[in-house]
Amino acid sequence: DAKTTQPPSMDCAEGRAANLPCNHSTISGNEYVYWYRQIHSQGPQYIIHGLKNNETNEMASLIITEDRKSSTLILPHATLRDTAVYYCIVKTGANSKLTFGKGITLSVRP
Amino acid sequence: NAGVTQTPKFQVLKTGQSMTLQCAQDMNHEYMSWYRQDPGMGLRLIHYSVGAGITDQGEVPNGYNVSRSTTEDFPLRLLSAAPSQTSVYFCASSYDGLHEKLFFGSGTQLSVL
Repeated sequence: DAKTTQPPSMDCAEGRAANLPCNHSTISGNEYVYWYRQIHSQGPQYIIHGLKNNETNEMASLIITEDRKSSTLILPHATLRDTAVYYCIVKTGANSKLTFGKGITLSVRP
Repeated sequence: NAGVTQTPKFQVLKTGQSMTLQCAQDMNHEYMSWYRQDPGMGLRLIHYSVGAGITDQGEVPNGYNVSRSTTEDFPLRLLSAAPSQTSVYFCASSYDGLHEKLFFGSGTQLSVL
């Protein structure tokens, strides 16, 4: 599976959009982009995934560039409860395992 | 709807003791798995199950046993605890596939002295 690169940390103000970048320049055509997050002392939580089209659900939006070499997870109105480590994961189909790297620590400030 | 429930939340064992970490899910998911999370190591798959009566080994199975007698329950047994098994353990379940859209429990923090 392709490797992902995320900055180690970022912050944003409560109520503003949080845009979390992820670079996956070696992604291949059949690899999906997944996002999970882990709030301190809790288990990881699935957020969203996509292949090439932008995706949106009740938690977030996923924007994948046309060349698929990078993506952005958008939390439209960040709250203090969104403070967590966010993992961007690239994997092929159902039998390809999830590999959680270091992720990006998002701190939402009041 | 409780999701994935793990017990206990915290446990301290002495080397050589055995214990069972409990995991139950109420979402009728076929796929269940156990992970351990250690600093700097990410999440590592210990054992998994693709349905009742079917289990298999993950990346780091040594020292652990599992069974899946019902769809709901997937206990993890430590046969003879060792300090190297000090970790945070997460149980996960999924409807779509072993590695797809996982629902995780809140974890068990285990210390082996």
